Amino acid sequence: QLQLQESGPGLVKPSETLSLTCTVSGGSSRGSVYYWGWIRQPPGKGLEWIGSINYSGSTYHNPSLKSQVTVSVDTSKNQFFLRLTSVTAADTAVYYCVRHVSARSFDYWGQGTLVTVSS
Amino acid sequence: SYELTQPLSVSVALGQTARITCGGNNIGGKNVHWYQQKPGQAPVLVIYSDDNRPSRIPERFSGSNSGNTATLTISGAQAGDEADYYCQVWDTSTALFGGGTKLTVL
Repeated sequence: QLQLQESGPGLVKPSETLSLTCTVSGGSSRGSVYYWGWIRQPPGKGLEWIGSINYSGSTYHNPSLKSQVTVSVDTSKNQFFLRLTSVTAADTAVYYCVRHVSARSFDYWGQGTLVTVSS
Repeated sequence: SYELTQPLSVSVALGQTARITCGGNNIGGKNVHWYQQKPGQAPVLVIYSDDNRPSRIPERFSGSNSGNTATLTISGAQAGDEADYYCQVWDTSTALFGGGTKLTVL
């Protein structure tokens, strides 16, 4: 059974960089058809896709966040990463890592990690 | 930019049929996916590509998509189906979600 687990700081100061790691375990999803992405959910609000990457390094980004976002992957460690620069309080959210097949549904989700932006 | 519109809330009596809609311009031409999210939990995929159900999802969940409206139908709603439901599509390589619908089972 495929499992995804987010990790990273729960508190980030305004104007700094938010960095998260997602570790993938179980199953085999190394083909380039699989994409690994990030979705966030501010407290009490809806879901927002941030960006995705596959093991070949092809990426998609949400145009509204593109200038802030870097998604990268380390295939040797079965991990992928999110960097969000110049954060503000509006970036406070639960961040989920997810898997999807190209432009299809998000079929596996991590449990989510709350990141609070505050001084 | 493409937008998805969902009702904020839907109520259904226990054992009756709930229908949650997702509106979008010619959404019938896109693949629509539906997620269920219970409080404090990650979303779970309940319907993919309009009308397909993952193996672990009960048969009472079904979907349809035509014209400008996609619909998630829950037949014989149970108390455990009370949750937020989100529709999702891809548009020009961007994943988009509807605003979410809170389903209350009375």
